[in-house]
Amino acid sequence: GDSVTQMEGPVTLSEEAFLTINCTYTATGYPSLFWYVQYPGEGLQLLLKATKADDKGSNKGFEATYRKETTSFHLEKGSVQVSDSAVYFCALGNSKLTFGKGITLSVRP
Amino acid sequence: GAGVSQTPSNKVTEKGKYVELRCDPISGHTALYWYRQSLGQGPEFLIYFQGTGAADDSGLPNDRFFAVRPEGSVSTLKIQRTERGDSAVYLCASSREQGYNEQFFGPGTRLTVL
Repeated sequence: GDSVTQMEGPVTLSEEAFLTINCTYTATGYPSLFWYVQYPGEGLQLLLKATKADDKGSNKGFEATYRKETTSFHLEKGSVQVSDSAVYFCALGNSKLTFGKGITLSVRP
Repeated sequence: GAGVSQTPSNKVTEKGKYVELRCDPISGHTALYWYRQSLGQGPEFLIYFQGTGAADDSGLPNDRFFAVRPEGSVSTLKIQRTERGDSAVYLCASSREQGYNEQFFGPGTRLTVL
């Protein structure tokens, strides 16, 4: 079946540091790929998505590219802010979603 | 507009009891999804509805779990003979239609089985 593997966390960075959070997947068919974010005390919300190979999703300075050859969808941001502290989930699917375990990001001033 | 709402926000029950968890999707969304999230894990799919019918219930762990959506809007997840292992946050999400990419999540119901 489908699965998503995220790098182990937590991750702690200083403000303005570069961020990469790795995500790889196994899937049958052609699923869409997503990054969801959960800020402290809030519900899950969609951060960005990509629907087919080589698509790049972007939002709030975050980017991720759907790489079919490496089955990856790594999340990047050039300069993180304290307000980016949250739990990040990689997910795939077309209807029902399969999620990774999530990774906690803490950004210190 | 209003987002997905779930009630109750917290539910504490005793082992063996029956519980119902309610989800109100965003108005006009025809697809509704239930997920379960255990501590330190990502959400796991349980069931989804397209309209009134369950399109895929392959994630329900056993026959103690059942969900309905009789009028194609509000959905209720029902758990019979609860067990301690059922303790988790139960999340509901809705989307405009089946296969439409963005699912909007509710705040969840935290279920604790003592």
